[in-house]
Amino acid sequence: GNSVTQMEGPVTLSEEAFLTINCTYTATGYPSLFWYVQYPGEGLQLLLKATKADDKGSNKGFEATYRKETTSFHLEKGSVQVSDSAVYFCALSDSSNTGKLIFGQGTTLQVKP
Amino acid sequence: NAGVTQTPKFQVLKTGQSMTLQCAQDMNHNSMYWYRQDPGMGLRLIYYSASEGTTDKGEVPNGYNVSRLNKREFSLRLESAAPSQTSVYFCASSATGAPYNEQFFGPGTRLTVL
Repeated sequence: GNSVTQMEGPVTLSEEAFLTINCTYTATGYPSLFWYVQYPGEGLQLLLKATKADDKGSNKGFEATYRKETTSFHLEKGSVQVSDSAVYFCALSDSSNTGKLIFGQGTTLQVKP
Repeated sequence: NAGVTQTPKFQVLKTGQSMTLQCAQDMNHNSMYWYRQDPGMGLRLIYYSASEGTTDKGEVPNGYNVSRLNKREFSLRLESAAPSQTSVYFCASSATGAPYNEQFFGPGTRLTVL
């Protein structure tokens, strides 16, 4: 079946450091890929998405590229801020028209001043 | 425009009690979803409603029932709560079930079953 695997956290970085959170997936067909972010005490919100191979999603300085050859969708940011501290979830939606999301386990990011 | 709202925010139940979690969206979305979030396991889909009048099981449906009351509202019922159902529950909606659509999440309900 379809699945998503994320690097385990927590990840602790100093402000202005480079961030990478790894995400790999297993899916049949051509899934859409997402990164959602959850700030403390809140629900999830979409950070970025990519819907086909080689697409790059970007938002708020974060980027991720849909790599079909390596079945990966790694999240990167060149310079993190304290306000980026949150839990990050990689997710996929398969090609059925149900919109069901399959999530990775989440990666907690803590950025220290 | 409130987005997705959920009630209650917190709830404590005793084993065997029943309750209904309420969810409503004001974005005229067709599809709605219920997830549970457990530490180290991400979010798992309990039930979903691809369109008004339809509901289907997700990955972890046992012990739950749902009702798509109308286009706006999608409730989740626990008939006989068990400690294994202690979790944070999120409702979400999307415009349609197309795979590229963003899902919008409510703030969550934190449920503890003693």
